Amino acid sequence: QVQLVESGGGLVKPGGSLRLSCAASGFMFSDFYMSWIRQAPGKGLEWVSHISGSGDSIYYADSVKGRFTISRDNAKESVYLQMNSLRAEDTAVYYCAREFSGYQFGWGQGTLVTVSS
Amino acid sequence: DIQMTQSPSSLSASLGDRVTITCRASHDIYNSLAWYQQKPGKAPNLLLYTTSRLESGVPSRFSGSASGTDYTLTISSLQAEDFATYYCQQYYSIPWTFGLGTKVELK
Repeated sequence: QVQLVESGGGLVKPGGSLRLSCAASGFMFSDFYMSWIRQAPGKGLEWVSHISGSGDSIYYADSVKGRFTISRDNAKESVYLQMNSLRAEDTAVYYCAREFSGYQFGWGQGTLVTVSS
Repeated sequence: DIQMTQSPSSLSASLGDRVTITCRASHDIYNSLAWYQQKPGKAPNLLLYTTSRLESGVPSRFSGSASGTDYTLTISSLQAEDFATYYCQQYYSIPWTFGLGTKVELK
């Protein structure tokens, strides 16, 4: 069955960097867009970025544009989120999800990113 | 960006109740609307997409409809496992945007 496992979260100081990974299995990875969606503590969901199956189409939310970079390695069936210049407001659980036509079906368990001094 | 205004933010209901949650889109989204259920400490789970299409494995007591830019999630007879937070999401225009959520609690 579809499985998505995020890793790489942790505590980082403001201005620091972190790289999240999401390992996928159970489906034809290269056929699907993959998304990152985050949820600040006690808050709602915010779509962050997505990348097409081939990697040639990428979009970001304005809140992360220029600081975050999404990428994927289809041979490793993994998607990544490089996060630079982190701010306190980036503190959240980050989920990766399989996307189809824009909706998310199949989510990972999430990885917590805490930005604090 | 398309704004999704979800209401109510919370509601109290009893087992067996009919529950309705609404999302209003700031622009026409042409039925590009999904609903998710999230339980505490867990990832969201897709319930419906394209307004009214039930995801595989989701009970038929969940249904969706639309009227203009208003989208509705209905739970026909609330079960114990349905107490959770529900989110709508539009996927007509990037950036995809979510409603703020509706927490369904036991009365």
